[in-house]
Amino acid sequence: AQSVTQLGSHVSVSEGALVLLRCNYSSSVPPYLFWYVQYPNQGLQLLLKYTTGATLVKGINGFEAEFKKSETSFHLTKPSAHMSDAAEYFCAVSGVNNQGGKLIFGQGTELSVKP
Amino acid sequence: EAGVTQFPSHSVIEKGQTVTLRCDPISGHDNLYWYRRVMGKEIKFLLHFVKESKQDESGMPNNRFLAERTGGTYSTLKVQPAELEDSGVYFCASSPGRENRYGYTFGSGTRLTVV
Repeated sequence: AQSVTQLGSHVSVSEGALVLLRCNYSSSVPPYLFWYVQYPNQGLQLLLKYTTGATLVKGINGFEAEFKKSETSFHLTKPSAHMSDAAEYFCAVSGVNNQGGKLIFGQGTELSVKP
Repeated sequence: EAGVTQFPSHSVIEKGQTVTLRCDPISGHDNLYWYRRVMGKEIKFLLHFVKESKQDESGMPNNRFLAERTGGTYSTLKVQPAELEDSGVYFCASSPGRENRYGYTFGSGTRLTVV
């Protein structure tokens, strides 16, 4: 069975500081990996995804994530936090060709950005 | 193109009443998913339609929940009778492909409160 663990339900950084949101997964098959973001009072928006190919994936708003198979990790980073990055972030996994592609989500990490 | 639309955005009902949530996917997307986030917990899969057929309904909590997708277009999720533990945010998502290599497009969600 697949599962996702996000380390830290709340992360606080200063504006301009590095953002690092951790995600570890377990999967018996090579997974597809996703990061979604939810801004207040909005729906989930896809930040980036890893399916195949290059393991360093760049997404929107300056975020990127690296798929590390040996560590079963897919951590999300951004070199310099902006106030507008304050939101909740979700890591998710789905298996290739499995059960129609349903997503298994982590618990979510709330990112706060201090001035 | 229009995104995934969910209606209503908020609903407050009394225990024992019936509520129907609606989702309009992106035109042409055969795959439609329902997810739910109960307060403080992770987002969980409910079910998956391919066109008008239920592909996977393994996440449906119990038989008080009924999902339909008329003609393979919009979908409804009915809760009857509603219980307190049904409170949460219900998300709908759609995708063009079965393998989810594209990532879903999510709606803004319906916040259901059962009192």
